[in-house]
Amino acid sequence: DIQMTQSPSSLSASVGDRVTITCRASQSISNYLNWYQQKPGKAPKLLIYSASSLHGGVPSRFSGSGSGTDFTLTISSLQPGDFATYHCQQTYNSLWTFGHGTKVEIK
Amino acid sequence: EVQLLESGGGLVQPGGSLRLSCAASGFTFSNYAMSWVRQAPGKGLEWVSAISPDGVNTYYTDSVKGRFTISRDNSKVTLYLQMNSLRAEDTAVYYCAREYCSSTYCHRYFDYWGQGSLVTVSS
Repeated sequence: DIQMTQSPSSLSASVGDRVTITCRASQSISNYLNWYQQKPGKAPKLLIYSASSLHGGVPSRFSGSGSGTDFTLTISSLQPGDFATYHCQQTYNSLWTFGHGTKVEIK
Repeated sequence: EVQLLESGGGLVQPGGSLRLSCAASGFTFSNYAMSWVRQAPGKGLEWVSAISPDGVNTYYTDSVKGRFTISRDNSKVTLYLQMNSLRAEDTAVYYCAREYCSSTYCHRYFDYWGQGSLVTVSS
């Protein structure tokens, strides 16, 4: 199976901060990498697909980059509604896997 | 409006069985691949199983192979997950999720999720 390593596992940031979360795959996955946001008690929501494509309705402060094994999710200016857990997901082969998540907390 | 509504979760003893259902509405169900994704308490997401739009192709994560069966009834617009030989480590919220599919292929990301159904395996 392809292992996905997310870092950091948690971070504290303030409103207005630029936040970067990374996800590393154990082998090359081309650009088959998605990012989801999840708030407590809620289902995940798609933010970014195919490494860098913004899902409809998602604010432009969210962006994704990378290919191969290394990927990043960037929030350019953190807003109050962005405090949540972020998950990366690889869909390169038929056995999809998620990272362990990054919790973004208020500093 | 796309909606996915899971049901069938609950408390079951180790070794027992349970069947989850996911009722779909607001889209042409038979055109989309579907998956089950679970989340153990306080843990990350784990993809469990997927099924093609026509139900012919199915996929499972290693830890549930031989114990779980994914299926769908396109006439009833419902996705199922039959779970047998349940273990304590299967305790989780189970989400059904729609994989976005265009007319030509499925794009390998989940654009809609249900609200989840809690499965607790305990004696």
